[in-house]
Amino acid sequence: GAGVSQSPSNKVTEKGKDVELRCDPISGHTALYWYRQRLGQGLEFLIYFQGNSAPDKSGLPSDRFSAERTGESVSTLTIQRTQQEDSAVYLCASGPGLAVETQYFGPGTRLLVL
Amino acid sequence: GEDVEQSLFLSVREGDSSVINCTYTDSSSTYLYWYKQEPGAGLQLLTYIFSNMDMKQDQRLTVLLNKKDKHLSLRIADTQTGDSAIYFCAEFHTGRRALTFGSGTRLQVQP
Repeated sequence: GAGVSQSPSNKVTEKGKDVELRCDPISGHTALYWYRQRLGQGLEFLIYFQGNSAPDKSGLPSDRFSAERTGESVSTLTIQRTQQEDSAVYLCASGPGLAVETQYFGPGTRLLVL
Repeated sequence: GEDVEQSLFLSVREGDSSVINCTYTDSSSTYLYWYKQEPGAGLQLLTYIFSNMDMKQDQRLTVLLNKKDKHLSLRIADTQTGDSAIYFCAEFHTGRRALTFGSGTRLQVQP
C-alpha cells in the first residue's frame, strides 16, 4: 500500500504568516509523529498522537506550534506567525503503535521562512 | 538526560567495509535503530536491535550493541556507491514513545 505522504513538499512563506502542513499516515497506523529537521542536524521530536489518547506535545518549541489529528487519519501541523528560525524540513512518521515502534517516515515538507 | 552522538563524516572506498558508530546516554532505551537518508528523500528504516541483544545481522548490515558502554555500531559490508547517504542512529524508550536521533553521519563512498 501507499506510504506516508506529506503536503506540500515545499513551502515558502513570509515572516509573520501562518502555515499549515499536512500528513497522511499509512492506513491502519494508530501512531503518528511530527519531527523537525534543521539543516545539517538530526531530528527533533515535536508531537505524538496515539489513537484517541491525549497527544504528547512535549516537543513543541513554542505556543505558535500546534497539531491536530482526525481520528486515526490525517494530521495537520500549524505554525502561527512564522519566524525565520522555523525554516526546516518537517517530517511526519506513522507506526502501528506496537511495542517495537517502527516508524515509517514521509518525504517531509521543506519550509522556508523569508 | 538523553543524548545520542555520532561522528559527522566517514569516507570509504567502494568494496570496503564501513563502520558507523553511535553513543547514547539513556540506559533505559529499549530499542535502537539505524535510519538512512538519501539526498532529498525521507528517512528509510534500515534495521533495529532490541536492547537485550548484542548483535543483529541482515544481509550486508551488522549491528553491534555494547550496552555496558552504551555504544551502537552499524557495519556495512562491501560498501557500494549507492550506500552514500546520511545514517542516523536513534533510540526509543517506551516511556516517551518518540525516537531520539543523533545528528547523523554522512557516508561518502568513493569509486
